[in-house]
Amino acid sequence: DTAVSQTPKYLVTQMGNDKSIKCEQNLGHDTMYWYKQDSKKFLKIMFSYNNKELIINETVPNRFSPKSPDKAHLNLHINSLELGDSAVYFCASSQNFEQFFGPGTRLTVL
Amino acid sequence: GNSVTQMEGPVTLSEEAFLTINCTYTATGYPSLFWYVQYPGEGLQLLLKATKADDKGSNKGFEATYRKETTSFHLEKGSVQVSDSAVYFCALTNTGTASKLTFGTGTRLQVTL
Repeated sequence: DTAVSQTPKYLVTQMGNDKSIKCEQNLGHDTMYWYKQDSKKFLKIMFSYNNKELIINETVPNRFSPKSPDKAHLNLHINSLELGDSAVYFCASSQNFEQFFGPGTRLTVL
Repeated sequence: GNSVTQMEGPVTLSEEAFLTINCTYTATGYPSLFWYVQYPGEGLQLLLKATKADDKGSNKGFEATYRKETTSFHLEKGSVQVSDSAVYFCALTNTGTASKLTFGTGTRLQVTL
């Protein structure tokens, strides 16, 4: 059973479109995260939710809106996509301090 | 704020060579330290961790010791294999609810026959 899953794995879209990435964890963890990995492999936190409540928002443009319908899900919606949004987006979940990552979603904005 | 500095890559080694990837950190309090590995086309996997000073994390032949006096957490392996080729990330987090991971820039390791 996959612990942290993301869909889709690949997403190719035009500038200006709106898209969503979904994340689900079956580990029973209280906390979930979104990270962005740029073309140079640098990883940076975007958001964190704890029990459906936003805990961390790292000065991400407000075109990015996370939504947590329940503790097991954290989705990421992106409005008006820009070229610079092209990256790999990783979802993660944690209990205590250890984080488990999903396989990533490679977003390409044309 | 927290920060992690890793040695620049790529690191290219022959199979069975000794590996060291340096990692130093700046953090408030007493962070937990991690090494994550990313194989080509895959997500991040936790390789090893250490939660307090002088702890040694180990897994799959890799080791790292939490050195508070030098604020370091260097990754070592005595004999690398081609299958170890990946990108290695050093990271830290302050314990607590929803603590974020702060990553180093990653070090690409390429092991050749």
